[in-house]
Amino acid sequence: KAGVTQTPRYLIKTRGQQVTLSCSPISGHRSVSWYQQTPGQGLQFLFEYFSETQRNKGNFPGRFSGRQFSNSRSEMNVSTLELGDSALYLCASSSPDGNTEAFFGQGTRLTVV
Amino acid sequence: AQKITQTQPGMFVQEKEAVTLDCTYDTSDPSYGLFWYKQPSSGEMIFLIYQGSYDQQNATEGRYSLNFQKARKSANLVISASQLGDSAMYFCAMREGMTGNQFYFGTGTSLTVIP
Repeated sequence: KAGVTQTPRYLIKTRGQQVTLSCSPISGHRSVSWYQQTPGQGLQFLFEYFSETQRNKGNFPGRFSGRQFSNSRSEMNVSTLELGDSALYLCASSSPDGNTEAFFGQGTRLTVV
Repeated sequence: AQKITQTQPGMFVQEKEAVTLDCTYDTSDPSYGLFWYKQPSSGEMIFLIYQGSYDQQNATEGRYSLNFQKARKSANLVISASQLGDSAMYFCAMREGMTGNQFYFGTGTSLTVIP
């Protein structure tokens, strides 16, 4: 069974640009969430999607957005990149049926220069 | 208030010894789940163990066990027979409610296993 796949693994962007990150959950998992990890702020929740609907959203500006497709794959987009957006972005997937496990991908390391 | 508190920024343990990583949590939701993850330098978050708030027994997964003390709101991870490959960051996380993927994470503990 394939794990959670995030692409790309590494990304370098210039301030002001936009970026799209992708997450393919484990087959059969319909819940996907995104996290930002930085040395200063630690792991912070961005948003959660379930069956193509955003279920929860963290305290991030509107420049951060996401979506989920009918096959449960999810994308997150960051527009007008700032230096402070440099981080490891992690995606997690889980089964909706009283899940006792949530699996993360390897993350996308975004560097904004 | 912090939802998850990990008070040990760094820990050292001798190979083959046991080590306990501390985690306390704060929630008013009677239904919650507690998770521990390992994050090596590669960045991937590796699921280790889960404890539900209604579980009567402490969770165990191989060399990992979770010392769940509900009244004290603590969920310490015990790693027995430490191995060099256990050197990594360890994160305690909580999910309020029994489903979903919104986790609150602690600041992590960096564990170093000494040969």
